[in-house]
Amino acid sequence: DAKTTQPPSMDCAEGRAANLPCNHSTISGNEYVYWYRQIHSQGPQYIIHGLKNNETNEMASLIITEDRKSSTLILPHATLRDTAVYYCIVRVPISNFGNEKLTFGTGTRLTIIP
Amino acid sequence: DTAVSQTPKYLVTQMGNDKSIKCEQNLGHDTMYWYKQDSKKFLKIMFSYNNKELIINETVPNRFSPKSPDKAHLNLHINSLELGDSAVYFCASSHPTRWWTQYFGPGTRLLVL
Repeated sequence: DAKTTQPPSMDCAEGRAANLPCNHSTISGNEYVYWYRQIHSQGPQYIIHGLKNNETNEMASLIITEDRKSSTLILPHATLRDTAVYYCIVRVPISNFGNEKLTFGTGTRLTIIP
Repeated sequence: DTAVSQTPKYLVTQMGNDKSIKCEQNLGHDTMYWYKQDSKKFLKIMFSYNNKELIINETVPNRFSPKSPDKAHLNLHINSLELGDSAVYFCASSHPTRWWTQYFGPGTRLLVL
């Protein structure tokens, strides 16, 4: 699985868009980018994933550069409840009946400031 | 309507004791996992089960023994607890065709004294 690099921490004002970058310069053609977050004292929560096209769901948007070497998770209108550690994970999406471990790095600690 | 539940939420015990953590999911998933998050907040997989069969065993000491009595349950038994076992243990589950969407439980905070 490709290695990812994220800034250790970021701040964002409440109500503004939070843009969380992730570098994955060694990503291979069949690897997807997945984002999870972990709110303090809770289990991780899936946010979004994508291959090469931009993706959007009710939680966030994912922008992947054309060369796929980096991506940005966008929380369009950050609230205090979005304060969490955000993890960018890269791997192939092949299901192998239980052999699909998620490898979490150190993530980005996002703090939403009132 | 809790999706993935764990008991107990907190566990404080003495070194050398044996303890169990239970996990249940009501999502109908075939695959369940145990992850460990240490004091430095690194989150690592320990085990995975698919249809009650052990699939992943990530160089975890033999003192840790997972058991899956059925697809909805995955328990973790720990023998001879050591100080270094203090951590938060998360259970998770996923559907085989959407394994990347793993649903995590609330965690069990284990403190070994």
